[in-house]
Amino acid sequence: EVQLVQSRPEVKKPGTTVKISCKVSGYTFTDHYIHWLQQAPGKGLEWVGLVDPENGETRYAEKFQGRVTITADTSIDTVYMERSSLRADDTATYYCATINAAYGSAFYYWGQGTRVTVSS
Amino acid sequence: SYGLTQPPSVSVSPGQTARITCSGDALPKQYAFWYQQKPGQAPVLLIYKDSQRPSGIPERFSGSSSGTTVSLTITGVQAEDEADYYCQSGDNTGTHEIWVFGGGTKLTVL
Repeated sequence: EVQLVQSRPEVKKPGTTVKISCKVSGYTFTDHYIHWLQQAPGKGLEWVGLVDPENGETRYAEKFQGRVTITADTSIDTVYMERSSLRADDTATYYCATINAAYGSAFYYWGQGTRVTVSS
Repeated sequence: SYGLTQPPSVSVSPGQTARITCSGDALPKQYAFWYQQKPGQAPVLLIYKDSQRPSGIPERFSGSSSGTTVSLTITGVQAEDEADYYCQSGDNTGTHEIWVFGGGTKLTVL
């Protein structure tokens, strides 16, 4: 059974950095990209970026470029997303997600979400 | 442009048919996907590659595509279908792929 298990909620002050994790199990970690998505309270889904666990290559949405870093640790099948210089409008639930090859490039497997609250 | 446009809300009575549209310039070239999201939960994939239904998704959910518009149709809406629905597709900036979502449509079952 494929599972993506994310780290616990975080509360951070503006200007600081948060790093959240996504532990993958149930398939070969290096087979598929892992994506991160943002959902601000009451808002829609936005694609943040991805990592290819096989080689560590990353791609980021233009909106998030410069304030997000996504990494993969193949020794523990875990992906991380670090967001820096946090602002109040970074308050959101962040999801990691990956595909099921049977269904093309759709986001099929999702983590449970990690709520990040940025508040002074 | 890379945006996908959905109506903010759709309302329908139980047993009726709901249709949610999604428009975008890249849709003739890229597959579309549809997700359902209920409060406090992660999204669930409903439709992939414009019109295919994953295993376990009820037959009342169907997808179609025409030019720059894709549609999600729910035939015989049930109370449990009240949720937010998102379309998603890919695009290419010329240097790399990006993944794009529509703004979401809130389906209200009257």
